Amino acid sequence: EVQLVESGGGLVQPGGSLRLSCTASGLTFSTYGVTWVRQAPGKGLEWVSGIGYDDITYYADSVKGRFTISRDNSKNTLYLQMNSLTAKDTAVYFCAKDLDNTFNWFDPWGQGTLVTVSS
Amino acid sequence: DIQMTQSPSSVSASIGDRVTITCRASQGISSWLAWYQQKPGKAPKLLVYAASTLQSGVPSRFSGSGSGTDFTLTISSLQPEDFATYYCQQANSFTFGPGTKVDIK
Repeated sequence: EVQLVESGGGLVQPGGSLRLSCTASGLTFSTYGVTWVRQAPGKGLEWVSGIGYDDITYYADSVKGRFTISRDNSKNTLYLQMNSLTAKDTAVYFCAKDLDNTFNWFDPWGQGTLVTVSS
Repeated sequence: DIQMTQSPSSVSASIGDRVTITCRASQGISSWLAWYQQKPGKAPKLLVYAASTLQSGVPSRFSGSGSGTDFTLTISSLQPEDFATYYCQQANSFTFGPGTKVDIK
């Protein structure tokens, strides 16, 4: 069974940085794309960033230049380095696996990690 | 950028009801559309992809249809475990719709 577990969330001040991790099990991690999606409190889903099995990266306009996605296949782990954080970045951050390596749809998802940007 | 809308934003229904949710894209996206279910405090779950392909393990009471700009998700006979929020997602730039909440009448 494929499982994804996020970690690294917490409280950070505006302008600060945080690095999220997503550790995968039950799959050959290096052969799949993975993505980050966030959900602000009480709001809908917003795609944030993705990285293909070929290490090609994708970013939403709202985070481009501030967030960096990367992966360490030897550790089965996906990362999201978040810099210059603002209150608008407050959300639960989910990681999810590319379903079929087309990088169109995602399943399964992790349980999420909460990032709160506040002074 | 492609914008996604959903209607209705919420629907109240009873067990056994047929429920239909509509998703509209601001420009044609062929069949590049997925549907997700999210229950409170939980991660989203993929139900349908490529507009009409049911994800493995998803009950057959769920079905998706449409292409181009107009899509639907249908629950043929609503079950207690189906009360949730449903999101469409277009695959081009991964934009999600605003969601449709299905709750108990």
